[in-house]
Order: sequence, then structure tokens, then C-alpha cells
Amino acid sequence: DGGITQSPKYLFRKEGQNVTLSCEQNLNHDAMYWYRQDPGQGLRLIYYSQIVNDFQKGDIAEGYSVSREKKESFPLTVTSAQKNPTAFYLCATALGGRTDTQYFGPGTRLTVL
Amino acid sequence: QQPVQSPQAVILREGEDAVINCSSSKALYSVHWYRQKHGEAPVFLMILLKGGEQKGHEKISASFNEKKQQSSLYLTASQLSYSGTYFCGTGLISNFGNEKLTFGTGTRLTIIP
Repeated sequence: DGGITQSPKYLFRKEGQNVTLSCEQNLNHDAMYWYRQDPGQGLRLIYYSQIVNDFQKGDIAEGYSVSREKKESFPLTVTSAQKNPTAFYLCATALGGRTDTQYFGPGTRLTVL
Repeated sequence: QQPVQSPQAVILREGEDAVINCSSSKALYSVHWYRQKHGEAPVFLMILLKGGEQKGHEKISASFNEKKQQSSLYLTASQLSYSGTYFCGTGLISNFGNEKLTFGTGTRLTIIP
């Protein structure tokens, strides 16, 4: 069954702890993206990767880190340096060309207590 | 850099028409439209490309004014299932080779019986 998997769906963490959000895809897409969504602010790009072992900062990369060791996986770590990490996090993939559709995973809702 | 969407919210009765607008201050290569239901992932609707090509949903139409860097999404004879938040994502000409989208803040559409 092809698709994008994000786990877990809901995540709770204490303030000051790092947390890693998972994003896995079996669509054989080259490009992968991480977005953050807050109420009334739309989707904001955190990091993206167009090829394995390479990634670029998006518009709000501070306090986040990523890796792209495998084509299928693009995990996002929310570090303790992120001042307001509570949000809905969405992973997306695309074939990689400039006219390609981005397909979104189901998202992870992170709450930092 | 974030595209501006208007209106921010609209309420329609079933069967009425709606127009959602997306405007950018940057030169665009593509405009992507998505619909998101509450708590779910955004779902692709349509891509409009510089030069006039369109790819997307059969029951939804859209336009792309390349001179004004504006796009409009037309929803005709709205159905209850059309309810949700609509986002435009813009691909900039200047991002060639470094593909990413910048999303607007969304337009919340509510269809009532």
C-alpha cells in the first residue's frame, strides 16, 4: 500500500526535551518536505530535501534539524532551542520537478507541556 | 514573500458559487491549490503553470494571471463536501533548481445546507 507515514499521530513532550518526528514514504519520490502549521498561519516550510544526503533550510529552520540518509525517510528533530514547538507538523513528498504535486502525510500533532 | 489569499473566510449555502484569490509579490512559475479538512492532511486540487498548462480536479477550475502574479480558484454549485480550508502554494521563477512552495494563510470555506 503506497503512501506517506507519519508517526506518531499525537505526541506529548516536556519542555526542554528533544523529540524526533518520523516521516516514511514508499512512493519512490526524490523530494521530501517538512511543514509546520499553526492556527491562522497556513503552512510554513521548515526543511526540505531534493536528494539523499542533501537538504536545505526553509523559512523557519531555527530550532529544528533533519537528516536524509535514505530516500524513504526524512526524520525531523525538534530541539529544545525551538521556543514554541507546539504545532501540527506535516511531511510532504514530490517526484522532485518544479511542476510536481506535493503529497502530504497525515501529520503529527506535537504538544509540549 | 508569503502569498496573500482572499477572502480569509466565506460562508455559502449549498449550490452557490465561490471564488478564492491568491496574490504574490514575486514572479511565479506555478500555483498549486490544496484543500484541507480540519485535523487532516491537505489534499491536492490543481496546479497552474506559467504558459497556461493546468493539471488537476475535474470539477474545479482556476485561472493564473501571469502578468499580475495572481490566481483564482472557482468553486461552482458548491457541495457540503467542499467545506474546508483552501491553500495556495506558489513556486517562484527564482527558485529554479531549488524547488519549494510558499503557502498562503488559507481561506476557510463553510458550506451550509
